[in-house]
Amino acid sequence: AQTVTQSQPEMSVQEAETVTLSCTYDTSESDYYLFWYKQPPSRQMILVIRQEAYKQQNATENRFSVNFQKAAKSFSLKISDSQLGDAAMYFCALYAGNNRKLIWGLGTSLAVNP
Amino acid sequence: EPEVTQTPSHQVTQMGQEVILRCVPISNHLYFYWYRQILGQKVEFLVSFYNNEISEKSEIFDDQFSVERPDGSNFTLKIRSTKLEDSAMYFCASSAGLAGYNEQFFGPGTRLTVL
Repeated sequence: AQTVTQSQPEMSVQEAETVTLSCTYDTSESDYYLFWYKQPPSRQMILVIRQEAYKQQNATENRFSVNFQKAAKSFSLKISDSQLGDAAMYFCALYAGNNRKLIWGLGTSLAVNP
Repeated sequence: EPEVTQTPSHQVTQMGQEVILRCVPISNHLYFYWYRQILGQKVEFLVSFYNNEISEKSEIFDDQFSVERPDGSNFTLKIRSTKLEDSAMYFCASSAGLAGYNEQFFGPGTRLTVL
């Protein structure tokens, strides 16, 4: 079975500071992708960052970067220089093998304090 | 920028009624998906659709559910006889190719409330 676990239901960060959101996953597949999605109050899911399992280099997208620890099956998201607009639910998701679906974590609600 | 659209944004229905949720995927995309999110719970996969047929479905997607791409642009999810537990946010998504390598783009969702 494939699972995604986000153990932090809520996090908060001061504006301009850095925050790290945790995610662990489990899959027996060797070919998989990991994602972080952001869901602001408007509810639309927005892709933040993607990591291919075969790539050793951690993905980065501007202020967003991941720490992908394949052996530990860990995939954390680091947000640097946090902005008020970063406040949202963040979901970690796994896409593995030929399974034509995303497996989602429960999400982490991030508050950004001015 | 192309986007996935969904209508209606909010649907209220009585238990036992049929509802149809509509989605217009991005025009050159080939793979289509429905997910749902019950308030406070995980996003759950319902079904994926490719080449005019279901390619994968979850255990949630029972005989009460069906999907259709009636006219080459719309992608619909029908719930034949709604139950209280069907109340959720329903998201449509599409991708140009197999998801994973290809990004899934999500619509804004339809909030379904079953009374």
